[in-house]
Amino acid sequence: DQQVKQNSPSLSVQEGRISILNCDYTNSMFDYFLWYKKYPAEGPTFLISISSIKDKNEDGRFTVFLNKSAKHLSLHIVPSQPGDSAVYFCAARQGSNYQLIWGAGTKLIIKP
Amino acid sequence: DGGITQSPKYLFRKEGQNVTLSCEQNLNHDAMYWYRQDPGQGLRLIYYSQIVNDFQKGDIAEGYSVSREKKESFPLTVTSAQKNPTAFYLCASGKGSSGSEAFFGQGTRLTVV
Repeated sequence: DQQVKQNSPSLSVQEGRISILNCDYTNSMFDYFLWYKKYPAEGPTFLISISSIKDKNEDGRFTVFLNKSAKHLSLHIVPSQPGDSAVYFCAARQGSNYQLIWGAGTKLIIKP
Repeated sequence: DGGITQSPKYLFRKEGQNVTLSCEQNLNHDAMYWYRQDPGQGLRLIYYSQIVNDFQKGDIAEGYSVSREKKESFPLTVTSAQKNPTAFYLCASGKGSSGSEAFFGQGTRLTVV
C-alpha cells in the first residue's frame, strides 16, 4: 500500500519555463513533507520542506504547495534550468516518527 | 567538513557471501538510516537507529543486519539470506527530531555475481 504516490514517472519541461512536480498521500496523519533531488549514482539531497500548518513554503526558485484537504502537494521550480534535470522524490513524516515514507520519484528533464 | 560517508562506492559479491557496507557520519546526528533503492521505486527503509546500541527494523529488514556501537557509525551487513541483494544502498543521518531532514551519503552499488 503506497502511502506516498508520485504518479508521473517523468516530466519534460523547456528551459526557462515552470516545472510542476506532484505528490499525493493517503495518510492524513502525515504532518511534515519534504522534497529531495537525486542525480544518478548519488544520494538524494534535501531541497525544501513544509509543515502541515502551512500551505506554502518558498526558497529561491523552489516553492512547495500543500493542499491538506486534497492530500496533495506540489513542487514548483521557476525558472527551470538544465541543472534541475534529476529525479525528484517526495517524502512524508508523521509526528515524531523517525521514518520517512517515500514516493517512487519523478524524473525531470529540462530541455534546452 | 561535516558529512556522511559511505564506502565502497561499488561492491561485487559472490552468491552465498555476506558483505558489510560502511557508513560514517561526523554531523553529530543521533539518527541513522539504511535505505535500498531499486529501479523505478522509491527508497525503502531497511533499518534505522535513533540512538547508540539501539536499532529498529524498517519495511524490508529480512536478510540484513546492522549494529550501532558508536554514534558515528552504522554498518549494514547484507547476508546470504537476502534473496535479491543487487541494489543501490543509501545511508542517511538526521537529528532525529520531528521536522528535520535527513542527509544522505553517496550510496553503494552492490552487485551479486
